Amino acid sequence: SQQGEEDPQALSIQEGENATMNCSYKTSINNLQWYRQNSGRGLVHLILIRSNEREKHSGRLRVTLDTSKKSSSLLITASRAADTASYFCALRIVGAGSYQLTFGKGTKLSVIP
Amino acid sequence: GAGVSQSPSNKVTEKGKDVELRCDPISGHTALYWYRQSLGQGLEFLIYFQGNSAPDKSGLPSDRFSAERTGGSVSTLTIQRTQQEDSAVYLCASSLLSDLEVFGPGTRLTVL
Repeated sequence: SQQGEEDPQALSIQEGENATMNCSYKTSINNLQWYRQNSGRGLVHLILIRSNEREKHSGRLRVTLDTSKKSSSLLITASRAADTASYFCALRIVGAGSYQLTFGKGTKLSVIP
Repeated sequence: GAGVSQSPSNKVTEKGKDVELRCDPISGHTALYWYRQSLGQGLEFLIYFQGNSAPDKSGLPSDRFSAERTGGSVSTLTIQRTQQEDSAVYLCASSLLSDLEVFGPGTRLTVL
């Protein structure tokens, strides 16, 4: 399968703790993106990391990319109840149809106040 | 507009009926995408429009599904003779030059 696979499928943590989600894939990518989805509706873009980048930060978010291991991680530091959502990695695959994003099934994060 | 809008936000229909879902992309965005998300799943690519080029329909699951984009702006996704397995959230996204997609809020379709 070309899609990303998130791990774990579900994660429950206490407010203030850090949350780490992983994404593994099997093909060559141009970039990898992380999205958040609240209540099964619209997607919010979080971070885009290109294949020649290793780490990016945005506020409390840190994304790493290891193209040799074909894996990425999303770290949310000092989590808040409002971070409760599903998080998806999306791949921009090299080659035909590279304009489309290929999504994993997501990690469901619950942050307990 | 400020973002991608979709209508209706929810649609309940009976098996066998036709439905039309609408997407208003961000003004000036040349690329428009439709995705489908079944319960508990990731997004599945359906169709892609880019400018005046022929759309990529390779993701449409059956010939009951069709989409058009008029005037390079608004898009309509039509599902004919709906089936229960068509129940899902249908998400539209637009982008400038196939770079960073902005997603709409989605239409939740329920086929009874």
